[in-house]
Amino acid sequence: DSGVTQTPKHLITATGQRVTLRCSPRSGDLSVYWYQQSLDQGLQFLIQYYNGEERAKGNILERFSAQQFPDLHSELNLSSLELGDSALYFCASSVGAGEAYNEQFFGPGTRLTVL
Amino acid sequence: GQQVMQIPQYQHVQEGEDFTTYCNSSTTLSNIQWYKQRPGGHPVFLIQLVKSGEVKKQKRLTFQFGEAKKNSSLHITATQTTDVGTYFCALRGGATNKLIFGTGTLLAVQP
Repeated sequence: DSGVTQTPKHLITATGQRVTLRCSPRSGDLSVYWYQQSLDQGLQFLIQYYNGEERAKGNILERFSAQQFPDLHSELNLSSLELGDSALYFCASSVGAGEAYNEQFFGPGTRLTVL
Repeated sequence: GQQVMQIPQYQHVQEGEDFTTYCNSSTTLSNIQWYKQRPGGHPVFLIQLVKSGEVKKQKRLTFQFGEAKKNSSLHITATQTTDVGTYFCALRGGATNKLIFGTGTLLAVQP
């Protein structure tokens, strides 16, 4: 158990819909990262938040957005869903933002299936 | 942007055989990390290498960073069924700590 929690574990929805994935970082960690894992794209970085502010952006679609709340939990919002958005979405957390090396701890993931 | 390629994509070994996965980059890397993801699980950090020619060991696992810092390897001696999973190398992307993952090597171990 990494200490990072993600809900829900599984999500099945239809194309065109909108979903919200939730992540609670390890106690004391200020950074939250979102990654997408799919068969064709592999494990890809989407976005990072540090202490409530966006810190880095990766290959995140405009239909996707995220935020980090004052209690440090984060939500990833996916809208106008397409079949290709079906993937495993991981959240990870670390103590710092990246000035020095910080190990990332991954949550169990949310498996999204778009039908 | 920076990319890392991993080979092989898949390896099937008999329990007790050795296993090696390689990570290659066309550019010099400041660091390399290795993660393991068990089937149905999430990536778990194994180690970070930062120095040219660095070699680190964790029990049966040996990690190496190339002299030119363009490649890295993970070697497992005498594999066990508990070693099954996908092994990823990853680079830490600059000051943000985001990870750029390699393509991964899936290891299957036959008892």
